[in-house]
Amino acid sequence: GAVVSQHPSRVICKSGTSVKIECRSLDFQATTMFWYRQFPKKSLMLMATSNEGSKATYEQGVEKDKFLINHASLTLSTLTVTSAHPEDSSFYICSARAPDRERGELFFGSGTQLSVL
Amino acid sequence: AQSVAQPEDQVNVAEGNPLTVKCTYSVSGNPYLFWYVQYPNRGLQFLLKYITGDNLVKGSYGFEAEFNKSQTSFHLKKPSALVSDSALYFCAVRDIGSGNTPLVFGKGTRLSVIA
Repeated sequence: GAVVSQHPSRVICKSGTSVKIECRSLDFQATTMFWYRQFPKKSLMLMATSNEGSKATYEQGVEKDKFLINHASLTLSTLTVTSAHPEDSSFYICSARAPDRERGELFFGSGTQLSVL
Repeated sequence: AQSVAQPEDQVNVAEGNPLTVKCTYSVSGNPYLFWYVQYPNRGLQFLLKYITGDNLVKGSYGFEAEFNKSQTSFHLKKPSALVSDSALYFCAVRDIGSGNTPLVFGKGTRLSVIA
């Protein structure tokens, strides 16, 4: 099946620093990737849709300048949490849909646990 | 707008007993329905999906789900639960006519299987 790799799996940083999370599709090209955020005991909330070669589409309430998304190639999307604060601490998950499964399931990265001190 | 409801935060079941995790959905058109499982500090793993065809869908690890259009439900079931099935389960939906759009997830149900 399609594989999505997400790195790092866990990061601890000081308040005010920026953190970059990478999401790679290893065996397929993903023109679109999706970034989700998961709060403790909460569902997955879609943050943004990452489109290769163009600007990301953000969900209502998600700060574009806070969560920078870059989708520079067909296999890589990055999420940068800028000037992170403790309230940004969360589990971030990226996902993509393989081209031959445009109407099918998403494949997820293993997630990144961000802790901001 | 699409939405998913998982009415139970927690389901407890004894090992060897059948389990059911409930899910209802709302879409404007016809749905694609999915179940995912999440183990602690891990991403999501795909279990099964309903696109078209038979209403009873069989998936990974012995799980199955039944699509019921009249009740707009897609409950996850397993005839005999294992302790290793203990995890967080998410139901998700997409509208068939919505193009390459993300999934909308329910809030999740934590399944605990007791030995």
